[in-house]
Amino acid sequence: DAGVIQSPRHEVTEMGQEVTLRCKPISGHDYLFWYRQTMMRGLELLIYFNNNVPIDDSGMPEDRFSAKMPNASFSTLKIQPSEPRDSAVYFCASSLLALRAPIEQYFGPGTRLTVT
Amino acid sequence: EDQVTQSPEALRLQEGESSSLNCSYTVSGLRGLFWYRQDPGKGPEFLFTLYSAGEEKEKERLKATLTKKESFLHITAPKPEDSATYLCAVPAGTGANSKLTFGKGITLSVRP
Repeated sequence: DAGVIQSPRHEVTEMGQEVTLRCKPISGHDYLFWYRQTMMRGLELLIYFNNNVPIDDSGMPEDRFSAKMPNASFSTLKIQPSEPRDSAVYFCASSLLALRAPIEQYFGPGTRLTVT
Repeated sequence: EDQVTQSPEALRLQEGESSSLNCSYTVSGLRGLFWYRQDPGKGPEFLFTLYSAGEEKEKERLKATLTKKESFLHITAPKPEDSATYLCAVPAGTGANSKLTFGKGITLSVRP
């Protein structure tokens, strides 16, 4: 399997512009997670989906952020309008359904976002 | 609130110099602890899952152990290619498929 695929790998945009990050999870995985990583705050969960349905979006920083999962093989994270403080590396991860005990998540290579 | 603290923040070792990385956690009912490795410019790569105190897992020069309050990642005779950031994480919430809370990581540098 190709693993989790994210695009673009790098994005540089100006403040106020719309940014869309894309993710293709591992085929057959039931869960999809969006994380943000910064030096100050480390790796933080933004939102996660189960079978394309958002389960927990409590980590989404504000209304400027939105995420969708229209089908099992594609998800987007959108920031509109973008601000310099949104600069970070955004990771997508996916996992299988855990029946009893928590199981590992598999991460994509990330998208490095720079907002100027 | 679940908390995960890793120490030290950075560690520099000479090749062959064994050491341990610490991950302390505060959770209401531990249901597992995960270790990941992250190389610069890449996503975290899964290493181990530990589910109960006393459990140990090994992979090459790495051995992860778990107590009721913390986990250790022991690195035996490290090589320069072991240089990376090591992250630990615990599941938050009550379900088996809940989100993970990550520590900030320990950046390991191994000099040849």
